[in-house]
Amino acid sequence: DQQVKQNSPSLSVQEGRISILNCDYTNSMFDYFLWYKKYPAEGPTFLISISSIKDKNEDGRFTVFLNKSAKHLSLHIVPSQPGDSAVYFCAASGGNQFYFGTGTSLTVIP
Amino acid sequence: KAGVTQTPRYLIKTRGQQVTLSCSPISGHRSVSWYQQTPGQGLQFLFEYFSETQRNKGNFPGRFSGRQFSNSRSEMNVSTLELGDSALYLCASSLDRTGNDEQFFGPGTRLTVL
Repeated sequence: DQQVKQNSPSLSVQEGRISILNCDYTNSMFDYFLWYKKYPAEGPTFLISISSIKDKNEDGRFTVFLNKSAKHLSLHIVPSQPGDSAVYFCAASGGNQFYFGTGTSLTVIP
Repeated sequence: KAGVTQTPRYLIKTRGQQVTLSCSPISGHRSVSWYQQTPGQGLQFLFEYFSETQRNKGNFPGRFSGRQFSNSRSEMNVSTLELGDSALYLCASSLDRTGNDEQFFGPGTRLTVL
C-alpha cells in the first residue's frame, strides 16, 4: 500500500515559469517531509525538507508547502530553469523509515 | 568529504543466482539504508542498519538480506534471484537515523536478472 503518492508521473513547464509538484500521503503520523531530485545514472539528492510544525519552507527558488489537514505537500520552483529537469521524489517519515513516492519527471523547456 | 559509494555499478545475473552489493557510507555516518527502485514503484525501503544491527525492515521476502560491518560499510545480498528483482538498488547513509536525519544517496547498483 503506497503511503506516499505522486499522482503526476510527468510535468512540462516553460523556462522562467513556476513548476508545481504535488504529493499526497495517507499516514497522519508522518511528521517530516522531504523532496529529492534525481538525475539519470545518479542517486537522489536532497533538495528541501519541512517539519510538520511548519506549513512553508523556502530555500532560494524552492518552496515546500505542507497542508496537514489535506495530507498534501507541494514543491514550487520559481523560476524554473532547464537544469531543473529531473525526477522529483517526495518522501515522508514518522521517525522509523522514509516512505517515498513514485516520482514526477519534470521537463523545463527552454 | 567523499560521498556514498556503491559497487558494482552494473550487474547482470541469471535467475536462481545470488548477488552481493556493497555500500560505503560517508565517513562518520553510522546509519545505512537500502532501497529498491523500479519503474512506477518509486523507492521501496528494504532495511536499515545502524551500528552493525538491523534496526528497521521493509516488506521484502527473506531472500533479501544485509549486514553492516564495524566500519559502517554495508552489504546487501539477494539469493535465488527472480526476474522481478531487476531494479536499481540504492544505498543511503545518514549520521544517525533516530529520526529525521537527511539521507545521502549513492549512485546505485543497476541489477539485471535474465
